[in-house]
Amino acid sequence: DAGVTQSPTHLIKTRGQHVTLRCSPISGHKSVSWYQQVLGQGPQFIFQYYEKEERGRGNFPDRFSARQFPNYSSELNVNALLLGDSALYLCASSLFSIQETQYFGPGTRLLVL
Amino acid sequence: AQSVTQPDIHITVSEGASLELRCNYSYGATPYLFWYVQSPGQGLQLLLKYFSGDTLVQGIKGFEAEFKRSQSSFNLRKPSVHWSDAAEYFCAVGAQAAGNKLTFGGGTRVLVKP
Repeated sequence: DAGVTQSPTHLIKTRGQHVTLRCSPISGHKSVSWYQQVLGQGPQFIFQYYEKEERGRGNFPDRFSARQFPNYSSELNVNALLLGDSALYLCASSLFSIQETQYFGPGTRLLVL
Repeated sequence: AQSVTQPDIHITVSEGASLELRCNYSYGATPYLFWYVQSPGQGLQLLLKYFSGDTLVQGIKGFEAEFKRSQSSFNLRKPSVHWSDAAEYFCAVGAQAAGNKLTFGGGTRVLVKP
């Protein structure tokens, strides 16, 4: 089976622009979580979606939004980009429970200039 | 609120030597604890996890970790390090009530000397 896939792998944007990042979970997984990893830090939780509903939200501004589609893939949207949004954005897929292993994708590296 | 501290930012170890990475957590109830490894340009890979039961947990790649409730610690160990173990290691805590949210520590970068 394919692992978690994310697209694009790299992205360069300028301040004020909008960006959409995509994630396809492992087949059979209905939960997708998004994390932001700033260089030199651990990942920070942004969102969890399960069965197309938001089930958790981290401490991020409203510029960050996400959604999950009927096929369980997910998009993360960031509006009005700031320099500080430059980071590696990781997607993780799993079954619902915290006891189930979360499988991370390779990430999308976003650079905001 | 949950928090995780990894006191060592960098650790250098000789190939074949033992390795121990420290992790301290803060959480009111019994936490779910995880260790992940991240190699350059790659996503995170789960090494092991602890939910309950035996406090010594075996993982992949020869790693193990011990949960010590009295010390709020979950240290990761490997008896003999291989050059391929050079990577960044993250400790994380989760909770049943928080869905799939993981709170990660800042990471420890491991360098392996030949």
